[in-house]
Amino acid sequence: EVQLVESGGGLVQPGGSLRLSCAVSGFTFRTSTMNWVRQAPGKGLEWLSYITNINGGKNYADSVKGRFAISSDGASNSLYLQMNNLRAEDTAVYYCARDRAPGGDAFDIWGQGTMVTVSS
Amino acid sequence: DIQMTQSPSTLSASVGDRVTITCRASQSISSWLAWYQQKPGKAPKLLIYKASNLESGVPSRFSGSGSGTEFTLTISSLQPDDFATYFCQQYYSYRTFGQGTKVEIK
Repeated sequence: EVQLVESGGGLVQPGGSLRLSCAVSGFTFRTSTMNWVRQAPGKGLEWLSYITNINGGKNYADSVKGRFAISSDGASNSLYLQMNNLRAEDTAVYYCARDRAPGGDAFDIWGQGTMVTVSS
Repeated sequence: DIQMTQSPSTLSASVGDRVTITCRASQSISSWLAWYQQKPGKAPKLLIYKASNLESGVPSRFSGSGSGTEFTLTISSLQPDDFATYFCQQYYSYRTFGQGTKVEIK
């Protein structure tokens, strides 16, 4: 079964760090392009970052550049998002999602999301 | 950065209505546009990719059109399961989502 399962969310204080994981199954992870997308409570979708596993290419939205880092591990079929210097405005549900085709496409598979709350 | 603007923000409609949602890009994105449906507490679901291609398993009452900077999502006959929020997304340069259109019961 094709599946993405996020984990690692929780409550963190402003300025703190958190690492999100996305476990992948049912498709060839090493040739996929993977993304992180977030949605603040009651708000729209915001794309954060992608990684193209076949060549390691990465990009970030300006809102998280320099604070967040995307990575992947082909051995464990896992995608990660390291989030540093967290702010209240980073509070959101975080989703991982797959490009339909590597290198730039719509997102055809999504995880269920993991909630991150930044608060003192 | 490419900005995506959807209209309307909210749409009230009845079962059986024909519904059209518009998405405008701040610059040309060719046909690199997708549409998603999202229900409360759930992840988005891909409906349309490359502006007009129906994703596998999506009912044929959904259709997409447009190119360049103006795009539309049409639901030909609104069904009870279609009351949801719809987002457009460009993937011409990085990725950007529109702000969403909530389709509610009239």
